[in-house]
Amino acid sequence: DAGVIQSPRHEVTEMGQEVTLRCKPISGHNSLFWYRQTMMRGLELLIYFNNNVPIDDSGMPEDRFSAKMPNASFSTLKIQPSEPRDSAVYFCASSSRRTNEKLFFGSGTQLSVL
Amino acid sequence: KQEVTQIPAALSVPEGENLVLNCSFTDSAIYNLQWFRQDPGKGLTSLLLIQSSQREQTSGRLNASLDKSSGRSTLYIAASQPGDSATYLCAPENQGGKLIFGQGTELSVKP
Repeated sequence: DAGVIQSPRHEVTEMGQEVTLRCKPISGHNSLFWYRQTMMRGLELLIYFNNNVPIDDSGMPEDRFSAKMPNASFSTLKIQPSEPRDSAVYFCASSSRRTNEKLFFGSGTQLSVL
Repeated sequence: KQEVTQIPAALSVPEGENLVLNCSFTDSAIYNLQWFRQDPGKGLTSLLLIQSSQREQTSGRLNASLDKSSGRSTLYIAASQPGDSATYLCAPENQGGKLIFGQGTELSVKP
């Protein structure tokens, strides 16, 4: 398996633009997580899904953030409109709770909002 | 709300030393706990997973222990090497599948 795949690797955009981050989890995993990492706040959980259903989105900072998981092999995190304070590395991770497996992370998307 | 604290925040040691990294968490009702490694500019890699019913897990030179009732876990690294230099993070998982991370310990092993 290729692991968790995220795209794009880097995104530079201007304030006010819409940003869409994409994630393909490991095949067979039924849990998917979106995290954000900054120097100041560390690694923050934004939202996670079990079996494509959002379980806890209490970490989503504002209504500008939304996440979807239309099927078991794809998820998106959208920011609209983007702001400079959204600049961070966004990670997607997946695991299989059925087998109590470890959490596998993607390589992340480095987002810069100018 | 789960809060995770890791001590120390940073550690610099000469090669060959045995190390202990500490993690404490406020909510002891956890499903499991994982230790991760993160290299600069990279994603996280899970090193060890300890289930709530277990006391420890070992992988090579790494040993992680868990004392669920007191809300503590330690990661022991034996005979440290320069290649162990990275940030180490712990993350307890609750019954609902939510993992919360500590701020990490930044380790530097000098040759």
